[in-house]
Amino acid sequence: ETGVTQSPTHLIKTRGQQVTLRCSSQSGHNTVSWYQQALGQGPQFIFQYYREEENGRGNFPPRFSGLQFPNYSSELNVNALELDDSALYLCASSSGTANSPLHFGNGTRLTVT
Amino acid sequence: AQSVTQLGSHVSVSEGALVLLRCNYSSSVPPYLFWYVQYPNQGLQLLLKYTTGATLVKGINGFEAEFKKSETSFHLTKPSAHMSDAAEYFCAVTFSPYGQNFVFGPGTRLSVLP
Repeated sequence: ETGVTQSPTHLIKTRGQQVTLRCSSQSGHNTVSWYQQALGQGPQFIFQYYREEENGRGNFPPRFSGLQFPNYSSELNVNALELDDSALYLCASSSGTANSPLHFGNGTRLTVT
Repeated sequence: AQSVTQLGSHVSVSEGALVLLRCNYSSSVPPYLFWYVQYPNQGLQLLLKYTTGATLVKGINGFEAEFKKSETSFHLTKPSAHMSDAAEYFCAVTFSPYGQNFVFGPGTRLSVLP
């Protein structure tokens, strides 16, 4: 069973630039969620995708957007990067069935300078 | 809005001692409850979950947690700490059975002293 994989592992961008983070979900999972984890804090929910449609969103501005592909992999795009966007971005997949837990990847560490 | 509090941002115990990590949630409706562990430079790993049924839940690595509705708590315990238990622990809740919007606590860093 292949787990959740994320790429790249680390990324450095300049304020105002755009970034795309990628995630491959665990085999058999059709739901992908993205979380932002700032240093020393718990993860915060960005959004969730189910069968290529966004079906839940946290308190993040529209410059945070995403996609899910037919193979259930996903992308997180962030436009007009700000310094406060520096964080660990975690992707999690789940089976979408009742009470299914989230299975996390190791994250992408984004630094905005 | 739902929220999760974890009392103690840093807990230190001696190897072999009892581990107790506290989690309280704010909601009038019982949520689904989870504990995750995060090792340095890694993602979160599920320790255990409570959905319905028995209020004492057993997880991996000897951890267990008890759901107490009257106290809106879901504290994590382990009878005997091991050096490998040193990590960050997060309590999380969701009201959706389909995984939307997990709300995480701020985390508790567990140190295990030799």
